[in-house]
Amino acid sequence: EPEVTQTPSHQVTQMGQEVILRCVPISNHLYFYWYRQILGQKVEFLVSFYNNEISEKSEIFDDQFSVERPDGSNFTLKIRSTKLEDSAMYFCASTLGREAATGTDTQYFGPGTRLTVL
Amino acid sequence: ELKVEQNPLFLSMQEGKNYTIYCNYSTTSDRLYWYRQDPGKSLESLFVLLSNGAVKQEGRLMASLDTKARLSTLHITAAVHDLSATYFCAVDNQFYFGTGTSLTVIP
Repeated sequence: EPEVTQTPSHQVTQMGQEVILRCVPISNHLYFYWYRQILGQKVEFLVSFYNNEISEKSEIFDDQFSVERPDGSNFTLKIRSTKLEDSAMYFCASTLGREAATGTDTQYFGPGTRLTVL
Repeated sequence: ELKVEQNPLFLSMQEGKNYTIYCNYSTTSDRLYWYRQDPGKSLESLFVLLSNGAVKQEGRLMASLDTKARLSTLHITAAVHDLSATYFCAVDNQFYFGTGTSLTVIP
């Protein structure tokens, strides 16, 4: 069964460093998402991406964050200058479409990347 | 800001018992989603509810939606240990998640 993959599974970085989190969405999916989950807390939406553009973004997704689909398979999240509070689990998700009635908006989540900022 | 609140936050129940998890949201939303997250794992989609009065069932879980009350429920029937997980609801195109309910089913 197709699945979303993410690398690395765990990233440790020093405060102020740049990190790139990578995701490979399901191959025929068109919409891509990043979420984060601080340990023990709720899931927070960061950004959605469609047709090589950001569709929606949350207040969390400030100038320190960027997303890119550098090729036909990868979807990346870059944090330019990490802060301690960026420590969280980052989940990538993808959907075939955005129509709930047809089920194309069912999100398939990757296993996550645990980011630890020291 | 849209708020999505779940209660209870923590639920410990015995096998075989029934219980309901509630999800309240603060603004109109045309759809509501339920997810399951096992400890240390990713999220798994359970249900999407599209209209007022919608009800969906999968095994021992049944979800319903009351858009007028801005309330969704996830009912657990005859709980088994395998249902132990954290359950999240989400609204507004899945951009707003609830606080989560951590369910532990005790043998």
